[in-house]
Amino acid sequence: DAKTTQPPSMDCAEGRAANLPCNHSTISGNEYVYWYRQIHSQGPQYIIHGLKNNETNEMASLIITEDRKSSTLILPHATLRDTAVYYCIVRVGGGGADGLTFGKGTHLIIQP
Amino acid sequence: EPEVTQTPSHQVTQMGQEVILRCVPISNHLYFYWYRQILGQKVEFLVSFYNNEISEKSEIFDDQFSVERPDGSNFTLKIRSTKLEDSAMYFCASSAAGIRTDTQYFGPGTRLTVL
Repeated sequence: DAKTTQPPSMDCAEGRAANLPCNHSTISGNEYVYWYRQIHSQGPQYIIHGLKNNETNEMASLIITEDRKSSTLILPHATLRDTAVYYCIVRVGGGGADGLTFGKGTHLIIQP
Repeated sequence: EPEVTQTPSHQVTQMGQEVILRCVPISNHLYFYWYRQILGQKVEFLVSFYNNEISEKSEIFDDQFSVERPDGSNFTLKIRSTKLEDSAMYFCASSAAGIRTDTQYFGPGTRLTVL
């Protein structure tokens, strides 16, 4: 079973920041937080990951609380194309052969 | 930007037939994976492959499934005798080695329909 908890759905207005929360209260010290998204039935798309520091890339920002028990993915200026299911996954760093455990994710709907 | 590719995009087969799904991982990656997603359900891990052997497999990956890296570029999933419940999207993924670089990148998937 997934080690994360996410709201099943969220709405966000186009052009606004979308903030997607994730709880991972049992995360271990060597586990990273990964975010993927899946648009319709396409393959999951990697967004960002982090261990304990906040991270930013061209797609999103990841804010991890100091106790590492929760995190927030931020899409700074959401567009209609960001409508997708977003998955928060915890995984041991360097666990190359380990499969990812997907939960049900958050269905983010961007409203025009 | 390099990406994982999969063929075919859609495969229709009769129950009991064998199918082979093909994947070309990103060229410098060392770990390869197969996942499946039954319509309306979660993405599920099937198997991982490293150094020409299976590294990890889930309970779903039973004797009817096999994986192979027949050459330096392809990675295949074979289902020996397909069942109706094998109908699903099958995703291939690959990753490089290392702690910060073992992000898994997914292909677009193959939709398998078993009639």
